[in-house]
Amino acid sequence: RKEVEQDPGPFNVPEGATVAFNCTYSNSASQSFFWYRQDCRKEPKLLMSVYSSGNEDGRFTAQLNRASQYISLLIRDSKLSDSATYLCVVNRAGNQFYFGTGTSLTVIP
Amino acid sequence: DVKVTQSSRYLVKRTGEKVFLECVQDMDHENMFWYRQDPGLGLRLIYFSYDVKMKEKGDIPEGYSVSREKKERFSLILESASTNQTSMYLCASSNRGGNSPLHFGNGTRLTVT
Repeated sequence: RKEVEQDPGPFNVPEGATVAFNCTYSNSASQSFFWYRQDCRKEPKLLMSVYSSGNEDGRFTAQLNRASQYISLLIRDSKLSDSATYLCVVNRAGNQFYFGTGTSLTVIP
Repeated sequence: DVKVTQSSRYLVKRTGEKVFLECVQDMDHENMFWYRQDPGLGLRLIYFSYDVKMKEKGDIPEGYSVSREKKERFSLILESASTNQTSMYLCASSNRGGNSPLHFGNGTRLTVT
């Protein structure tokens, strides 16, 4: 079983829509969780960390469910500029990072 | 803001050449990593280092070696480049500690002909 599983999509949504991505992880010892955004042929960039109580940054909300071992990312009021691949990343023991395969999002005018 | 700098954005090398990819970070991070990213395979760890002169093999170390002589610099070496090493190479760094995220360099797109 993969350490981190993510629906690859693609998700094609109209501007202004709300879209949610989920990611599941297999190891209950996982310590920290992150969402990254990756544009085509560019490096992944940290979008936000995911905290146990859930956290929000503008139109983006991240949540963690340790009991069910999944993290989610909600994007409200989608913009054309949100089109990218979104990677979930799970950290175990400080220097062990595990990556989802990424979810592709295209926001359509 | 953390800056991770990779020496080359694009590189074209011939089969059999020895290739050096350099990475420098400016935030005094203990951990440094080399990944490759290929379509459909995602990010795969080649090597990582948690301290100067320390290195650990990742998932796909074959055909690669690394060097970390200074804390801020982590080099990836392709001993004898092959066409199946054509890929996007990403360097990353992080602080020691479970809550520290990865910070990536802007990548080196290597083509081996």
